[in-house]
Amino acid sequence: AQRVTQPEKLLSVFKGAPVELKCNYSYSGSPELFWYVQYSRQRLQLLLRHISRESIKGFTADLNKGETSFHLKKPFAQEEDSAMYYCALSVRDYGQNFVFGPGTRLSVLP
Amino acid sequence: DGGITQSPKYLFRKEGQNVTLSCEQNLNHDAMYWYRQDPGQGLRLIYYSQIVNDFQKGDIAEGYSVSREKKESFPLTVTSAQKNPTAFYLCASSILGGTGELFFGEGSRLTVL
Repeated sequence: AQRVTQPEKLLSVFKGAPVELKCNYSYSGSPELFWYVQYSRQRLQLLLRHISRESIKGFTADLNKGETSFHLKKPFAQEEDSAMYYCALSVRDYGQNFVFGPGTRLSVLP
Repeated sequence: DGGITQSPKYLFRKEGQNVTLSCEQNLNHDAMYWYRQDPGQGLRLIYYSQIVNDFQKGDIAEGYSVSREKKESFPLTVTSAQKNPTAFYLCASSILGGTGELFFGEGSRLTVL
C-alpha cells in the first residue's frame, strides 16, 4: 500500500543554519512527489514538485528512488520558513488522489 | 476572486446530529477532494471525485457521505455514524491530468459537543 512517512514531528534550527526535512515513501508505481507548506493562518499551498526540479524560496528536493526518499533542503534557514511542511505522494488509482505524510513543524529560531 | 470556499469556518454539533460542510470552487477544476486533518496524523483522504455524479472512497470514508451534482460543488456530510467527528476538514481541487497541484480551501473546524 502507498504510504508517506515524515519521521520528525518538530524540527528546530537557528536562523542561517541548514535545514533538511525528511520524507520517505512506499509506492509500487512511478512516484510523483510534492512538498506542501502551511504558514500560520494561511492555506495549505504547494511548495514544490519533484518533476519541476525547481528551487522555491531557496528550498530544493531531490527524488531518490533507490532510497525512496524526497527530502526537503535549504542551505540557510530564515525565520519566515517557520511553518508546517507536508510531503505528499500522487497515487494514480481510480483517477488521481494524494497521500500525505503526518507533517513536520519547522521552527526557525532567531 | 478565484479559489475554493469552505463554509462554515466553525461548526458545533450535538452528538447524534448530521452536519454538512460546504465546498465550492470557481477554478473549473474537475477533481475535488475532502481531507481530515488531525494533529500528528497529517491529512487523511475521506472522499474524492474526478467528475460530476461520481466519487470514490478514501482511506477513512466510514461515517461520511458526499455528493457531486455540480462541477463546482462537493459537499461533505458528517453523519452520526462517525465515531470521532471533531476535527479540521479541508477541501481541495485539482486539474485532471495537470501538474498535480492541489488547491486548498481555508478549512472547516467541526466540534461535537
